[in-house]
Amino acid sequence: GENVEQHPSTLSVQEGDSAVIKCTYSDSASNYFPWYKQELGKRPQLIIDIRSNVGEKKDQRIAVTLNKTAKHFSLHITETQPEDSAVYFCAASIGGGADGLTFGKGTHLIIQP
Amino acid sequence: KAGVTQTPRYLIKTRGQQVTLSCSPISGHRSVSWYQQTPGQGLQFLFEYFSETQRNKGNFPGRFSGRQFSNSRSEMNVSTLELGDSALYLCASSLNSIGVTEAFFGQGTRLTVV
Repeated sequence: GENVEQHPSTLSVQEGDSAVIKCTYSDSASNYFPWYKQELGKRPQLIIDIRSNVGEKKDQRIAVTLNKTAKHFSLHITETQPEDSAVYFCAASIGGGADGLTFGKGTHLIIQP
Repeated sequence: KAGVTQTPRYLIKTRGQQVTLSCSPISGHRSVSWYQQTPGQGLQFLFEYFSETQRNKGNFPGRFSGRQFSNSRSEMNVSTLELGDSALYLCASSLNSIGVTEAFFGQGTRLTVV
């Protein structure tokens, strides 16, 4: 089955700096890669996603890049703000939606004031 | 539009008992997926239902089962509870139409087995 590795497990950055979280996946059939943000005690929320026919997608301060050949994808957050502090999960699946998502173990992003 | 609703929010059960959790998806969403979240294993896929049929299943023992009703509401059942079943159980719903991929999670049910 699919295996998703996520690094780092904890990331501390200064407010205003950029943060990068990286994931690798094992199943070349995976074609949908969402990123979720989960604040303490809250539900995971989709922040951005990308399909395998696209190399990069951007939404304001958040961007995701995908390298299908190397089977890795990354989340980039620029101009970090205190409200960006949360746990971020990458995931991979075949098809989309929430069906059969394989999640990474999560990255705890800490924004230092 | 109401979000994904899970009930109950918290449950305490004893080893060996069984439990049923409920999930009401966003109106119009026909796909409901269930996930188990624990500190050690992270988020793990249990199963997915679409139009009352289980379409996909994760790697969990047969003690974990589910069903979906004609109104798309879903339930999951865990029988013969073990201490290791203590977790946050999340359900997510999606429209499941071609080109529409966003899934919305509920707040979860926190199950504690003692």
